[in-house]
Amino acid sequence: SQQGEEDPQALSIQEGENATMNCSYKTSINNLQWYRQNSGRGLVHLILIRSNEREKHSGRLRVTLDTSKKSSSLLITASRAADTASYFCAVDSGNTPLVFGKGTRLSVIA
Amino acid sequence: ETGVTQSPTHLIKTRGQQVTLRCSSQSGHNTVSWYQQALGQGPQFIFQYYREEENGRGNFPPRFSGLQFPNYSSELNVNALELDDSALYLCASSLDQGGEKLFFGSGTQLSVL
Repeated sequence: SQQGEEDPQALSIQEGENATMNCSYKTSINNLQWYRQNSGRGLVHLILIRSNEREKHSGRLRVTLDTSKKSSSLLITASRAADTASYFCAVDSGNTPLVFGKGTRLSVIA
Repeated sequence: ETGVTQSPTHLIKTRGQQVTLRCSSQSGHNTVSWYQQALGQGPQFIFQYYREEENGRGNFPPRFSGLQFPNYSSELNVNALELDDSALYLCASSLDQGGEKLFFGSGTQLSVL
């Protein structure tokens, strides 16, 4: 399956610390996207990185992509309690719908 | 706020019944995708509609069906409900069928008893 798989499944950190989540996938991709979901709500798009990009920033978010290793990481710097949510990666392989992983549940403790 | 609205927000049905979920896409978007998300899992692709035609389907049985209307709003219909159909159903709209970012609604929480 070309589904992205996040690691770790769950992460608990103190406010102010950095949070790093990883995503691995199996096929070639056009782009990889990260989404956030607060409990029981819809997903919110965070950032999209294309296959020819290696790093992208958006505010406190930093995403890297290593196509040789078929992996991506999402770094949230200086985390806040409001960052508590589930984070999903999704891969676009061009001829299939966007496929989501099972997510990383992040808990930021104040 | 994404501009994608889903109704109803919550629904309780009994096994064997039928249900219709509705989604209004973001203005200017012509593509709607439906996802099923079981508790603790990632969203699973059900199907996508592009300009009123089904444009891809996931591993879901035929009792899951859909429609897209000329204004690009969409419906998801599920017949003969089973207990395992209990999940959060998410609608997402996008501009065109490509793999660009999706704009999700807040979902419909369906409970089948």
